[in-house]
Amino acid sequence: KQEVTQIPAALSVPEGENLVLNCSFTDSAIYNLQWFRQDPGKGLTSLLLIQSSQREQTSGRLNASLDKSSGRSTLYIAASQPGDSATYLCAADSGGGADGLTFGKGTHLIIQP
Amino acid sequence: DTGVSQDPRHKITKRGQNVTFRCDPISEHNRLYWYRQTLGQGPEFLTYFQNEAQLEKSRLLSDRFSAERPKGSFSTLEIQRTEQGDSAMYLCASSLARLAGGLGETQYFGPGTRLLVL
Repeated sequence: KQEVTQIPAALSVPEGENLVLNCSFTDSAIYNLQWFRQDPGKGLTSLLLIQSSQREQTSGRLNASLDKSSGRSTLYIAASQPGDSATYLCAADSGGGADGLTFGKGTHLIIQP
Repeated sequence: DTGVSQDPRHKITKRGQNVTFRCDPISEHNRLYWYRQTLGQGPEFLTYFQNEAQLEKSRLLSDRFSAERPKGSFSTLEIQRTEQGDSAMYLCASSLARLAGGLGETQYFGPGTRLLVL
C-alpha cells in the first residue's frame, strides 16, 4: 500500500527566500507524482505533474523534481511571495489514474511579508 | 472550460439523515473521482468513474455511501444514515484519459462540499 509523507508539516519564512518542500513515497512503482496547492477551506489547484520517466518539471517560480529510486520528490519555490502562503500537497499516482491519488498530509507554508 | 463545480458548498445535517452531493466535471473529461478530506489530512480516495462505469471503490466507501454517474456526465454521491464521523470535506476531481492504460493525468479538483453532521 502506497504511503506518502511530507516534511516539514509547517514552514514559515520571510518573503523573498527560496525554499524546498519534501515529499517521500514508499512504493516506487508510480505512474506520476503530482503537486497541488490548497488555500484554506478551498479545493486543490494543480501545480505540476511529473511523469515517472521524467526527472523534473518547471512552471514559473516552481520546480519539482522526482527521484523514483529513492522514493522522493521536492518542490522548489523561488523568490517566495506572501501569495504563496497555502498548504502544499503531493500525491502519488500508483494506478495510472485507476486507483485515485495517494496524498501526503501537506506542508502548511506561511510567507511573512 | 468552466472548471469542476460542486453543489452544495456547505451542508449541515442531523445524524441519521441522508445527504446527496453533486459534481459537474470539466466537459469532455472521461474520468471522475471522489475524495474525502478531514481537517489536517490530505484527501483520501473514495471512488472513480471512467465515463459512466464505476471502476474502483475504496474500503473507505462503506455500504452507506453510493455514487453514480449517469450518462458519464455529472456525478452524485449519496450518504445514507449519516454519522458524525462522516463530517468532512468531499472533493470531486475530473481528468481526461487519452490512452487506455496510460500514464495517468492531471486531476482537476472542484471547490468541495463541506459536510457537518450534528
